[in-house]
Amino acid sequence: QKEVEQDPGPLSVPEGAIVSLNCTYSNSAFQYFMWYRQYSRKGPELLMYTYSSGNKEDGRFTAQVDKSSKYISLFIRDSQPSDSATYLCAMSAISGTYKYIFGTGTRLKVLA
Amino acid sequence: NAGVTQTPKFRVLKTGQSMTLLCAQDMNHEYMYWYRQDPGMGLRLIHYSVGEGTTAKGEVPDGYNVSRLKKQNFLLGLESAAPSQTSVYFCASSSHRGTDQPQHFGDGTRLSIL
Repeated sequence: QKEVEQDPGPLSVPEGAIVSLNCTYSNSAFQYFMWYRQYSRKGPELLMYTYSSGNKEDGRFTAQVDKSSKYISLFIRDSQPSDSATYLCAMSAISGTYKYIFGTGTRLKVLA
Repeated sequence: NAGVTQTPKFRVLKTGQSMTLLCAQDMNHEYMYWYRQDPGMGLRLIHYSVGEGTTAKGEVPDGYNVSRLKKQNFLLGLESAAPSQTSVYFCASSSHRGTDQPQHFGDGTRLSIL
């Protein structure tokens, strides 16, 4: 079993839809949770960064962490064709290993 | 607005050849990382560095070497390339403690080994 599981998709939605992207994990030591967006032939760029549990909102994006269920989510409101990309979750523990565990990514297509 | 710059962007090698991938960052970050990204595998850490002159092994270090002679540069070397090393290689950097600071990525080097 992988430490971080993420549905690869692709997930296709119409423009304006609310998108929900999810990751599950098995290591209860994870404290830092990140979402990256990766466009085709580009490097991952950081979208959201949260520590421990709770919600964080930034414009159309909301990141949610449920440590009791070992489950994190990224919600995209009013999705746009420009949101079409692969979304990677990443997480790390307070262990000083300088190591992040990445999900395999979910491909999202927002149709105009 | 450079951030993390990787060179080259593309390269084709024959089995057994050697090459060096260069990563440069202009953010004065202490920590730098090399990952490979393969379909269905996600990003896997090859080697990392916590400061100038230091290197450490990551999850998949075999067949690779690294050097961090200057704070802004992190080099990844393949001494004898193998087809299994065909991948997209990403360099990243972060400031302060690596586990509580997000990483910033370059745009990758696409490497094919024939």
